[in-house]
Amino acid sequence: KAGVTQTPRYLIKTRGQQVTLSCSPISGHRSVSWYQQTPGQGLQFLFEYFSETQRNKGNFPGRFSGRQFSNSRSEMNVSTLELGDSALYLCASSSTGPGPQNTIYFGEGSWLTVV
Amino acid sequence: GENVEQHPSTLSVQEGDSAVIKCTYSDSASNYFPWYKQELGKRPQLIIDIRSNVGEKKDQRIAVTLNKTAKHFSLHITETQPEDSAVYFCAAIKAAGNKLTFGGGTRVLVKP
Repeated sequence: KAGVTQTPRYLIKTRGQQVTLSCSPISGHRSVSWYQQTPGQGLQFLFEYFSETQRNKGNFPGRFSGRQFSNSRSEMNVSTLELGDSALYLCASSSTGPGPQNTIYFGEGSWLTVV
Repeated sequence: GENVEQHPSTLSVQEGDSAVIKCTYSDSASNYFPWYKQELGKRPQLIIDIRSNVGEKKDQRIAVTLNKTAKHFSLHITETQPEDSAVYFCAAIKAAGNKLTFGGGTRVLVKP
């Protein structure tokens, strides 16, 4: 079974630009969540999608947005990039629906550098 | 919202010794507590987890304990090996969603 796949793995953007990151969850998984990892702030939750609906949202500005498609693939978008957005963006998938949690698996991440 | 505190932030142990990492959480509604290991430049990988209806769980050299009353949980690694060197994260999550709240991480160094 293929794992969580994220593209692109590495990218460099200029301040003010926007970026779209993609995530394909493990086959059969309907929950996709996104996290930002930085040395200073650690691992922080961005948002979670389940069956194309945003189910949870973290404390990030509106420049960070996401969506999920009918095949459970997800994208996140960051508009008007700032230097502080440089981070590892991790996607995670789980098969859970409402009820007890199932295991959450992470992708390898997308390394974003804003210059 | 949930807050997870993790201690210590760094831990250096001699090969063969035990390592213990402790976490506390604030939201009594949290009911699932996974531990992730992250090697440099790699993804966080689940190493063990525990649910709130269980007090202890063990998998070979790794064990996790949970004290719901005190709202803390701990990771125990016995007979440490150099390949155990990594950053370890504890996390907590509530029902109805997959919002993981992570601790700040513990950098573990196992010295040969």
